[in-house]
Amino acid sequence: KAGVTQTPRYLIKTRGQQVTLSCSPISGHRSVSWYQQTPGQGLQFLFEYFSETQRNKGNFPGRFSGRQFSNSRSEMNVSTLELGDSALYLCASSLASGDSPLHFGNGTRLTVT
Amino acid sequence: AQSVTQLGSHVSVSEGALVLLRCNYSSSVPPYLFWYVQYPNQGLQLLLKYTTGATLVKGINGFEAEFKKSETSFHLTKPSAHMSDAAEYFCAVSVRSSNTGKLIFGQGTTLQVKP
Repeated sequence: KAGVTQTPRYLIKTRGQQVTLSCSPISGHRSVSWYQQTPGQGLQFLFEYFSETQRNKGNFPGRFSGRQFSNSRSEMNVSTLELGDSALYLCASSLASGDSPLHFGNGTRLTVT
Repeated sequence: AQSVTQLGSHVSVSEGALVLLRCNYSSSVPPYLFWYVQYPNQGLQLLLKYTTGATLVKGINGFEAEFKKSETSFHLTKPSAHMSDAAEYFCAVSVRSSNTGKLIFGQGTTLQVKP
């Protein structure tokens, strides 16, 4: 079974621009979560989507948004990029029960200059 | 609110030595507990999880962890370290009663294995 696929792997953007990251979950997984990983803050939860609905949200500004499509694929968007948005963005999919482990993609490395 | 504390941001061991990575959690309800490993330029890979039942959990690559409710701990061990174990390790918790994909992660421990 194919794993979680994230595209692109690397992105370089300029302050003020916006960016869209894509995530294809494992087949059959209906929950997709997004995490931001930085050296200073570690792994922080952004949001989770299940059946095209956001059902959990972390403590990030409204510039961070996401959506999920009917095939469970998900995108996250960051508008008006700031230097501090430079990070590894990880997507994870799961069967969406509390004991179901998250399966992570290899991430998208975003650099904001 | 839940939280996870990993004691020691860096741990260095010799090849063949015991690996012990410490994790303590805080949770108002019994949580589900996970250990993940991250190699450079990769995502996180699940090592093992504790949900219910036996408190000693065996995972991949020879790792195991023991859930100790009285100590609110879930330390990760491996009897003999290999060079390939060098990576960053994350302990995480989720709320037992929830059905969400949200995990609370510790800050991570970088394991260095010396030849």
